[in-house]
Amino acid sequence: GNSVTQMEGPVTLSEEAFLTINCTYTATGYPSLFWYVQYPGEGLQLLLKATKADDKGSNKGFEATYRKETTSFHLEKGSVQVSDSAVYFCALRQTSGSRLTFGEGTQLTVNP
Amino acid sequence: NAGVTQTPKFQVLKTGQSMTLQCAQDMNHNSMYWYRQDPGMGLRLIYYSASEGTTDKGEVPNGYNVSRLNKREFSLRLESAAPSQTSVYFCASSESGGWTDTQYFGPGTRLTVL
Repeated sequence: GNSVTQMEGPVTLSEEAFLTINCTYTATGYPSLFWYVQYPGEGLQLLLKATKADDKGSNKGFEATYRKETTSFHLEKGSVQVSDSAVYFCALRQTSGSRLTFGEGTQLTVNP
Repeated sequence: NAGVTQTPKFQVLKTGQSMTLQCAQDMNHNSMYWYRQDPGMGLRLIYYSASEGTTDKGEVPNGYNVSRLNKREFSLRLESAAPSQTSVYFCASSESGGWTDTQYFGPGTRLTVL
């Protein structure tokens, strides 16, 4: 079946540090890949997505590249801010199904 | 344009009680979903409705029922609540069931079953 594995958290960084959150997946075919962000007390918001191999999704300074050869979709940001503190979820969606399969989430805390 | 709204925000039930979680979207989306979020497990799909008039089981449907009341509304019912159903419940919607579609989430309902 499908699965998504994220790096274990929590992750704590200082402001302006470089961020990487690893995400690898198991799926057949060519799923779509997503990063969602959940701020404290809120629902999930789409951060970025990529729908085919080698696509790069980007938004608000975050980037992730769909790597079919390594089945990965790592999230990166060059300089994090305190306002980036949140839980980040990697997810996939198969071509033949409706549901999103989520990773367990990574808690990010950015200190000033 | 409120997006996806959910009521209530918080609920405490005793074991065996029943309740219905309400969800509505104003984006004219065809597909709607119910997820539960548990610590360390991400979100898991309970039920979904690909279009008005249809519903299908997701990954963890036991103990739940759903109703797609119309295109806007999708409710989740717990007939006899159990402590294992303590969780945060999220409703989501998307334009269609397509695999590249973005799902939009509501703010969640935090349910505690004693």
